[in-house]
Amino acid sequence: EDQVTQSPEALRLQEGESSSLNCSYTVSGLRGLFWYRQDPGKGPEFLFTLYSAGEEKEKERLKATLTKKESFLHITAPKPEDSATYLCAVQASTTDSWGKLQFGAGTQVVVTP
Amino acid sequence: ETGVTQTPRHLVMGMTNKKSLKCEQHLGHNAMYWYKQSAKKPLELMFVYNFKEQTENNSVPSRFSPECPNSSHLFLHLHTLQPEDSALYLCASSLSPDSTKNIQYFGAGTRLSVL
Repeated sequence: EDQVTQSPEALRLQEGESSSLNCSYTVSGLRGLFWYRQDPGKGPEFLFTLYSAGEEKEKERLKATLTKKESFLHITAPKPEDSATYLCAVQASTTDSWGKLQFGAGTQVVVTP
Repeated sequence: ETGVTQTPRHLVMGMTNKKSLKCEQHLGHNAMYWYKQSAKKPLELMFVYNFKEQTENNSVPSRFSPECPNSSHLFLHLHTLQPEDSALYLCASSLSPDSTKNIQYFGAGTRLSVL
């Protein structure tokens, strides 16, 4: 059974204090790993997709990396506006998994000035 | 304007009421999805529609009834709900479930409270 585990559950950072979020997954063949950001009362906002081990993507202060077992979302010199819940999801490569994203429970990040 | 619009944003209903949630996407996508998000739990996929055809029903109780009249519109009809059905219901769309880059874009959700 496909599983996605995110850690930590919550993270409190000082502005400028870099850190990393972890997403560990077990899936029968990875088709894609997705990172989303979700603000309170809003739907998830797409950030990155990673498809193969060794791949990296960057966007402003965020950088996502992928290995065969996990993905990291690095937040460099965060600002208060980076406060949100970050969600990780995987899609398996089997035909009956097409379209189905398996989500983790998320990491809630709070960045204080 | 967001690419995926959900209405209403908030809904309070009694256990005997019948209500519907609406989702509209303006992205030219062919696939649409309903998810349930409960506090501290991962998003749960409920239904998948591809080119208006339902391709997935993730063991959802029959008190939830989806409808997809075309690739741009998706409804979730609700009746005789239970208090444990209170949650944020999210709609998403993507180009196609079998696309190599099946990026799903979400609406803002409907916050449902069942009394």
